[in-house]
Amino acid sequence: AQTVTQSQPEMSVQEAETVTLSCTYDTSESDYYLFWYKQPPSRQMILVIRQEAYKQQNATENRFSVNFQKAAKSFSLKISDSQLGDAAMYFCASAANNAGNMLTFGGGTRLMVKP
Amino acid sequence: DAGVTQSPTHLIKTRGQQVTLRCSPKSGHDTVSWYQQALGQGPQFIFQYYEEEERQRGNFPDRFSGHQFPNYSSELNVNALLLGDSALYLCASSLRRASYGYTFGSGTRLTVV
Repeated sequence: AQTVTQSQPEMSVQEAETVTLSCTYDTSESDYYLFWYKQPPSRQMILVIRQEAYKQQNATENRFSVNFQKAAKSFSLKISDSQLGDAAMYFCASAANNAGNMLTFGGGTRLMVKP
Repeated sequence: DAGVTQSPTHLIKTRGQQVTLRCSPKSGHDTVSWYQQALGQGPQFIFQYYEEEERQRGNFPDRFSGHQFPNYSSELNVNALLLGDSALYLCASSLRRASYGYTFGSGTRLTVV
């Protein structure tokens, strides 16, 4: 079984500044993926970034990067140069790398971006 | 390249009624998973369909059932609706049940009154 915890219900950042969203997880699997999804008011879950647990190097996607601490089971998301369009709900999720394994989501963090 | 399409976008039903939600997966995908997202919470896994069979199921009662068609599209059926079934229902598609490549639709907002 997997659990994902996001301890920050809401975060706020000034436009052009940097913000970090926290996530901790627990899993008995040795091979798994970790994800950050963005859910804007349009409701569609959009993949922001993905990390393979066997990779030590932290994943980056343009302004988005993660800090993956495997021993601590921590997976935080850093958003640099925040933009108004980054305002949304952000969900951390995990999935074991076995066929058909579903995503387990955290409770989400609402990010507000101030102009 | 069509993404995941869900219909309807919104739906209002009365307690005790039955509802059917539909999902067309992304072009090239053959696996469909359904999630329930209650207001203010993260999505919860309902079940997954692959090769027209239910392959995995989350902690949901038998009132929740589904189907996958030969063209990979899927339906989610909920019987004997309860007020607590009010939620956003998300469909996610992937290829050969791979856990790393889910694409989500925009969901169906179900309100039970």
